[in-house]
Amino acid sequence: DAGVTQSPTHLIKTRGQQVTLRCSPKSGHDTVSWYQQALGQGPQFIFQYYEEEERQRGNFPDRFSGHQFPNYSSELNVNALLLGDSALYLCASSASGTGTTEAFFGQGTRLTVV
Amino acid sequence: AQSVTQLDSQVPVFEEAPVELRCNYSSSVSVYLFWYVQYPNQGLQLLLKYLSGSTLVKGINGFEAEFNKSQTSFHLRKPSVHISDTAEYFCAVSDPQGAGSYQLTFGKGTKLSVIP
Repeated sequence: DAGVTQSPTHLIKTRGQQVTLRCSPKSGHDTVSWYQQALGQGPQFIFQYYEEEERQRGNFPDRFSGHQFPNYSSELNVNALLLGDSALYLCASSASGTGTTEAFFGQGTRLTVV
Repeated sequence: AQSVTQLDSQVPVFEEAPVELRCNYSSSVSVYLFWYVQYPNQGLQLLLKYLSGSTLVKGINGFEAEFNKSQTSFHLRKPSVHISDTAEYFCAVSDPQGAGSYQLTFGKGTKLSVIP
């Protein structure tokens, strides 16, 4: 079992650009959540996708959007990048019905905005 | 909204000594509580969780935590630490019945440094 896989592992973008991050959930999981972890901080919930719909959203602007595909994989898109978007982006997957109790995290994508 | 306070940002401890990492959460009718560990340049790994039942929870790598509802605390303990325990530890909470039931709310983390 490959667990939760994220790509790419590192990314450097210029302010104002757009970025797409990808996540494949653990086998048997159908729910994907995204978190942003700024340097020296704990992860912050961005949103969760289930059945290809955004089910819940944290306190993040509309520049952050996502998508879930029929195979349960997910993308996180960030438009008009700001320097403050530099962070580790973590994907967590779970099986529907388990909520937060059985969330598995990927290794993350380190995004640097210059 | 839920919130989590980790009272120590850094904790140095000598190898084979005991350690306690402190965590307090905002009160709610019901909570799920978690401790995660993050090694450098890696994602989060679940150490243990409290959902209900016994207030003493045992996890992986010899860690345990005690849920104290009256003090709204969930402190993490290990009786004897190893060099390999050097990492950052995050306490997290979720509300199984509230609007935020699908999300984890994390503290800012505690960096544990084990000194040889």
